[in-house]
Amino acid sequence: AQTVTQSQPEMSVQEAETVTLSCTYDTSESDYYLFWYKQPPSRQMILVIRQEAYKQQNATENRFSVNFQKAAKSFSLKISDSQLGDAAMYFCAYRSATYSGGGADGLTFGKGTHLIIQP
Amino acid sequence: GAGVSQSPRYKVAKRGQDVALRCDPISGHVSLFWYQQALGQGPEFLTYFQNEAQLDKSGLPSDRFFAERPEGSVSTLKIQRTQQEDSAVYLCASSFGGYRDRVTYNEQFFGPGTRLTVL
Repeated sequence: AQTVTQSQPEMSVQEAETVTLSCTYDTSESDYYLFWYKQPPSRQMILVIRQEAYKQQNATENRFSVNFQKAAKSFSLKISDSQLGDAAMYFCAYRSATYSGGGADGLTFGKGTHLIIQP
Repeated sequence: GAGVSQSPRYKVAKRGQDVALRCDPISGHVSLFWYQQALGQGPEFLTYFQNEAQLDKSGLPSDRFFAERPEGSVSTLKIQRTQQEDSAVYLCASSFGGYRDRVTYNEQFFGPGTRLTVL
């Protein structure tokens, strides 16, 4: 079974600064997807960015970018020019790219990092 | 509607009561997922439907949990004889494609969740 670990329960950053959230994962598979989801207090999960494991190029979405290190099984999220609206729980998640048995249909999430933006 | 909706948003049940949680996926979405999110944790996969077929229920914690999607659209998660450990937020997500199709990733869109409190 795959596991996802987020070692930072909480991070704080000044508005307009840059912050990096860490994520490591464990898998024996070679083909998979990785995601960062944002969950504001309203609870609605929003996809921030995704990375296909077969792609070497790191994904970027405006102020959000990832550092994907496949060999190290590391997938960090960098948020540039932090804004007050970025304050939320951030979850790293994994999904197999091919069906591999019970439970593989769903996403495997880490425990989350609470991001605080200081004005 | 434009997004995934869930009802009720909040549910308080006495221990031993049965509850039913409803999910309305995005119209036309083939795949539907249920997750359980305990306080301070990431969501955990419960079950997956492709249309009306429940293809994976490996994450359901006990036989008190039952999910259905009889017409391939609306889904209901039922919990019988609720226990205090069932207290959590129950998230529903849907995606456009059949989830085991290895063509392209189909993004999961999440609902706002139902917060269940068992007294």
